[in-house]
Amino acid sequence: DAGVIQSPRHEVTEMGQEVTLRCKPISGHNSLFWYRQTMMRGLELLIYFNNNVPIDDSGMPEDRFSAKMPNASFSTLKIQPSEPRDSAVYFCASSLGQGMSEYFGPGTRLLVL
Amino acid sequence: AQKVTQAQTEISVVEKEDVTLDCVYETRDTTYYLFWYKQPPSGELVFLIRRNSFDEQNEISGRYSWNFQKSTSSFNFTITASQVVDSAVYFCALLTGGGNKLTFGTGTQLKVEL
Repeated sequence: DAGVIQSPRHEVTEMGQEVTLRCKPISGHNSLFWYRQTMMRGLELLIYFNNNVPIDDSGMPEDRFSAKMPNASFSTLKIQPSEPRDSAVYFCASSLGQGMSEYFGPGTRLLVL
Repeated sequence: AQKVTQAQTEISVVEKEDVTLDCVYETRDTTYYLFWYKQPPSGELVFLIRRNSFDEQNEISGRYSWNFQKSTSSFNFTITASQVVDSAVYFCALLTGGGNKLTFGTGTQLKVEL
């Protein structure tokens, strides 16, 4: 069975550019999560969706970040414009629902120069 | 508020030693879930175990075992006869019953050397 799929796996961009990260959750999972991992702050939840609806985006750092889930099998996290401090590993995870285990994708390693 | 504390930042052991990773959690909820994840050097996060607050039975899976004690709010993870492939960062996490947000600890870096 395919796990959570993320693309790209690596992204290098210049400050000011738009970055779009993509995620395909595990089929049948109705909760999707976006996390960011840095050495300084560890794992931070940015936003999560239940049944394609954003439930809590309190972790989104600022207006430069936006996330969408147009259907049950696809989500994007967009940063516009990107800044060097956005450099991190971004994980997408999905689960069957409240209280259930989250399964993580391989992550996207983002470097903003 | 929820909190997970992994006081051990880094542990080094020699292969075949047993090692225990500590996890202490805080929550006022009576229904909650505890998790352990492994993050090997390759970077992915691998789910290891989920335990709900009403099930205090210890669990064993091969060389891995987990000791859940509500009295001390701890959910410790023991690796028996450690191997080099166990080298990774291990995260403990808490999910309270009313929500859908994992609270992660800061992780414990385990290094297993020959």
